[in-house]
Amino acid sequence: DAGITQSPRHKVTETGTPVTLRCHQTENHRYMYWYRQDPGHGLRLIHYSYGVKDTDKGEVSDGYSVSRSKTEDFLLTLESATSSQTSVYFCAISEPPGSGPNNEQFFGPGTRLTVL
Amino acid sequence: DAKTTQPPSMDCAEGRAANLPCNHSTISGNEYVYWYRQIHSQGPQYIIHGLKNNETNEMASLIITEDRKSSTLILPHATLRDTAVYYCIVRVPKNAGGTSYGKLTFGQGTILTVHP
Repeated sequence: DAGITQSPRHKVTETGTPVTLRCHQTENHRYMYWYRQDPGHGLRLIHYSYGVKDTDKGEVSDGYSVSRSKTEDFLLTLESATSSQTSVYFCAISEPPGSGPNNEQFFGPGTRLTVL
Repeated sequence: DAKTTQPPSMDCAEGRAANLPCNHSTISGNEYVYWYRQIHSQGPQYIIHGLKNNETNEMASLIITEDRKSSTLILPHATLRDTAVYYCIVRVPKNAGGTSYGKLTFGQGTILTVHP
């Protein structure tokens, strides 16, 4: 399995509090992604990073910010958590798209976040 | 990226072949067909991908019709551990123009249940 860890794995918080989720990789992959998964919606891309300090928005980025200060870590922050952000969050990594034969993304184990 | 259509659920007996169909009638010439699966509570896992030729790896085979409007993922000898949601995704490996990234758009997928 690709070396991807997410922390915490479970978190319960209250509306209005800030929350930071961490994704850590040991594969030295350049690209990193944050997805959320909700019933009836599948996985949706929140933000992605194509290098250190290089990030961009995905399709559901409102209410989220990200930072990547080093290759191995990609942080997802909810500045003021809302109940609509209750979800399972997955981090993924990949080599630069088009650089290899497969272009697959490797996913972490997920973080289950509950906002009360 | 082209949209895909998959049956919501399928059943398969253990030891038999599981054939999962996917329609992608609007696929364009530079789009690949990717298959991922997600076992309960885990992150998605890459299975296989192809452009127009049939492909086989240690996990599965991918059969793409000559007109590329549909494909079938084949698990030759399904086991109970293959019970999962299977996602068919059509995409280009790299965005056209701008910063490239391998965006994955997950639909609802097919819930495959393998029975003893």
